[in-house]
Amino acid sequence: DVKVTQSSRYLVKRTGEKVFLECVQDMDHENMFWYRQDPGLGLRLIYFSYDVKMKEKGDIPEGYSVSREKKERFSLILESASTNQTSMYLCASGLSPLHFGNGTRLTVT
Amino acid sequence: LAKTTQPISMDSYEGQEVNITCSHNNIATNDYITWYQQFPSQGPRFIIQGYKTKVTNEVASLFIPADRKSSTLSLPRVSLSDTAVYYCLVGDPGNTPLVFGKGTRLSVIA
Repeated sequence: DVKVTQSSRYLVKRTGEKVFLECVQDMDHENMFWYRQDPGLGLRLIYFSYDVKMKEKGDIPEGYSVSREKKERFSLILESASTNQTSMYLCASGLSPLHFGNGTRLTVT
Repeated sequence: LAKTTQPISMDSYEGQEVNITCSHNNIATNDYITWYQQFPSQGPRFIIQGYKTKVTNEVASLFIPADRKSSTLSLPRVSLSDTAVYYCLVGDPGNTPLVFGKGTRLSVIA
């Protein structure tokens, strides 16, 4: 079974902090994705990557960056966290189908 | 990317068959239809994918009419554990990331 592991289940950070959300997959997938999920808005794509060191903007990349130094790891970076980035963050790998982690619930205070 | 429309919510009693319909009027030739299920506090999980006619697996069936402008996810004899949000996605799975809509919240009642 494919496993997508997100390093933290819950995270609380202060406004202005730099935040790293880590995601690791064990199936040698080329494609990895970061989504955020908010009530009433569904899942929205932040960034994705088709290969190591490659990244593409999704629908809502503002305020975020990503890093893909190794194939199995895709990191989402909040350069300066803000309260409107309080959300559930979901990492996925593969393409068809997508395999998701269980999410990181980030609270920015 | 083809836009999808599905009901916001549905209720069902245990043991009933549940059909969730998704409209995708501008589906393209290379697009597939994919359904995901999401339980609270978990990431979405792939259920089924199809291109045309009917696809069945151990979890669900997917019915796609000839014009492919809609599709129906059928869950046989639902149980309380089927309470979840169900997402219909349409796109070329080998090409671009699929876009998630807001999904259908299914509540199964005892």
